[in-house]
Amino acid sequence: DAGITQSPRHKVTETGTPVTLRCHQTENHRYMYWYRQDPGHGLRLIHYSYGVKDTDKGEVSDGYSVSRSKTEDFLLTLESATSSQTSVYFCATGTDTNYGYTFGSGTRLTVV
Amino acid sequence: GEDVEQSLFLSVREGDSSVINCTYTDSSSTYLYWYKQEPGAGLQLLTYIFSNMDMKQDQRLTVLLNKKDKHLSLRIADTQTGDSAIYFCAENYGTNAGNMLTFGGGTRLMVKP
Repeated sequence: DAGITQSPRHKVTETGTPVTLRCHQTENHRYMYWYRQDPGHGLRLIHYSYGVKDTDKGEVSDGYSVSRSKTEDFLLTLESATSSQTSVYFCATGTDTNYGYTFGSGTRLTVV
Repeated sequence: GEDVEQSLFLSVREGDSSVINCTYTDSSSTYLYWYKQEPGAGLQLLTYIFSNMDMKQDQRLTVLLNKKDKHLSLRIADTQTGDSAIYFCAENYGTNAGNMLTFGGGTRLMVKP
């Protein structure tokens, strides 16, 4: 989706190192979400934001933190990466309508 | 959010119809969605249906909703090899932080030539 950019697209990092994934949107959407996708688990919500500086935890938030200092950027940080955090991470945005989310192309993170 | 269940895999021949099924548990959901994920890509919204509708048709796609049984299906007519992908259904639920979606585990559709 042209309006949502995730960076980096791929990353390999070592256990114990901090990692930050970035989601940038040009849609001016109020809501932003971070999901992880793993085989057998589908999509699981990590954290979400309902406005600048307003964030909350999802179902698998342990080991992750987020920040949203402006509307267009939503950062996901792994303070100390573990092998269980190897996954594909998706950012999504949404509005106050019920027309679903718009997804980014994903970041494939490998923790070795 | 509540649980959304899908079968893992479906294989069809090119030109046949595909039917992907989904069950959900939250009777208060007002919208239900179908997303498509192609390899290496994010999820793309295919279609959605409002909960007071029984059916929605959009070109080759037909969505059927049985609210009594909490069953949603996506029918793809004249399935093509380009339809090979993972399909996710999702239901919405309201929170004080806005509209949230719960996704099923995805159904991998394989289309054989």
